[in-house]
Amino acid sequence: AQSVTQLDSHVSVSEGTPVLLRCNYSSSYSPSLFWYVQHPNKGLQLLLKYTSAATLVKGINGFEAEFKKSETSFHLTKPSAHMSDAAEYFCVVSEGDTGRRALTFGSGTRLQVQP
Amino acid sequence: NAGVMQNPRHLVRRRGQEARLRCSPMKGHSHVYWYRQLPEEGLKFMVYLQKENIIDESGMPKERFSAEFPKEGPSILRIQQVVRGDSAAYFCASSPRTGQGARWTEAFFGQGTRLTVV
Repeated sequence: AQSVTQLDSHVSVSEGTPVLLRCNYSSSYSPSLFWYVQHPNKGLQLLLKYTSAATLVKGINGFEAEFKKSETSFHLTKPSAHMSDAAEYFCVVSEGDTGRRALTFGSGTRLQVQP
Repeated sequence: NAGVMQNPRHLVRRRGQEARLRCSPMKGHSHVYWYRQLPEEGLKFMVYLQKENIIDESGMPKERFSAEFPKEGPSILRIQQVVRGDSAAYFCASSPRTGQGARWTEAFFGQGTRLTVV
């Protein structure tokens, strides 16, 4: 069975400072991993994905994440936060090589960016 | 190429009424997934469908909830005799047809339907 743990429910940073959103996963198979962002009352937008290629994945809006199998982690980072980054972020895992093709979501991390 | 289309965006129902939520996947996508997001929570898997088939409904409540994805037309999530606890955002996602054992590459999400039961 697959699961995702987002270690922080809320993260607050100042504009221009680095962002770190932490995610640990559990999977019986080689997982695919994703980060999605949800702005208030909006749908979900894919930030980036890992599907067994390069372990350092670059996404949109300056975000990137590193897949670390030994630590079962997939933390999301950004060098410099912008006010528009304030949103809810979800780490997501999928065990692609099984018959159950579902995504398992973490509980989310709400990112606040202070001016 | 339009994205995943969900309608209505907002739906208000009185307790005991039926709610019908529609999802049109992206063109060429034959896999549809429904997720529910309760306030202040992440998305929870409900059901996975392919055209005319329910593949996995392990996340669906046993009663009052049903889903279909007919050969023609959108996927429908139906909630009968709604209760206040059904108030949530319901998201649909679609992905393209892939082969047996193929890995997920991406799911495309709709804007969601926000159901309010009064």
